[in-house]
Amino acid sequence: DAGITQSPRHKVTETGTPVTLRCHQTENHRYMYWYRQDPGHGLRLIHYSYGVKDTDKGEVSDGYSVSRSKTEDFLLTLESATSSQTSVYFCAISEVQGNTGELFFGEGSRLTVL
Amino acid sequence: KNQVEQSPQSLIILEGKNCTLQCNYTVSPFSNLRWYKQDTGRGPVSLTIMTFSENTKSNGRYTATLDADTKQSSLHITASQLSDSASYICVVSGKYGNKLVFGAGTILRVKS
Repeated sequence: DAGITQSPRHKVTETGTPVTLRCHQTENHRYMYWYRQDPGHGLRLIHYSYGVKDTDKGEVSDGYSVSRSKTEDFLLTLESATSSQTSVYFCAISEVQGNTGELFFGEGSRLTVL
Repeated sequence: KNQVEQSPQSLIILEGKNCTLQCNYTVSPFSNLRWYKQDTGRGPVSLTIMTFSENTKSNGRYTATLDADTKQSSLHITASQLSDSASYICVVSGKYGNKLVFGAGTILRVKS
């Protein structure tokens, strides 16, 4: 299994509170991604990183920000959580650009916003 | 709009039987197509990756086929086991950019 750790694995929070999810990898892969998974939808890309301090938006980036200060850590922040952000969040990593390289996923972080 | 459609949405089969899952896509230009298995409460795990020049690839009891002309792929599971119960996700990669399009998945339940 690829060395990817997501934390926390489960979180319940209230509307309007800030939330940070952490993804930590031990594979030294250049690319890191945050996806959300909702019933009836395929995984949707929120943000991705192609190196330290290099990030870009995905298709559902509104309400989310990210930071990558070290190769191994990629943080996803919800500045003010809303109920529509209740979801399961997956971190993924790849050695080369995601559309050509193998993508490895973490175990997911289930977030409930009340 | 680039899309990936999977069918059926869900499927129940008896242990030991075979099954085939379908994936139709409109992503163009196309780079590769992947099948992932996702156990309940876990992250997706790659089963196969096929480029446009490959029309079949196997991984144990899993065999994926690809017809790039008709933009269709299938995943065939042979002699199903209880541990095959999972969601199977088809993912299509565009040729340019960092773009992967995920299908919504087929939920397979294998019962004894």
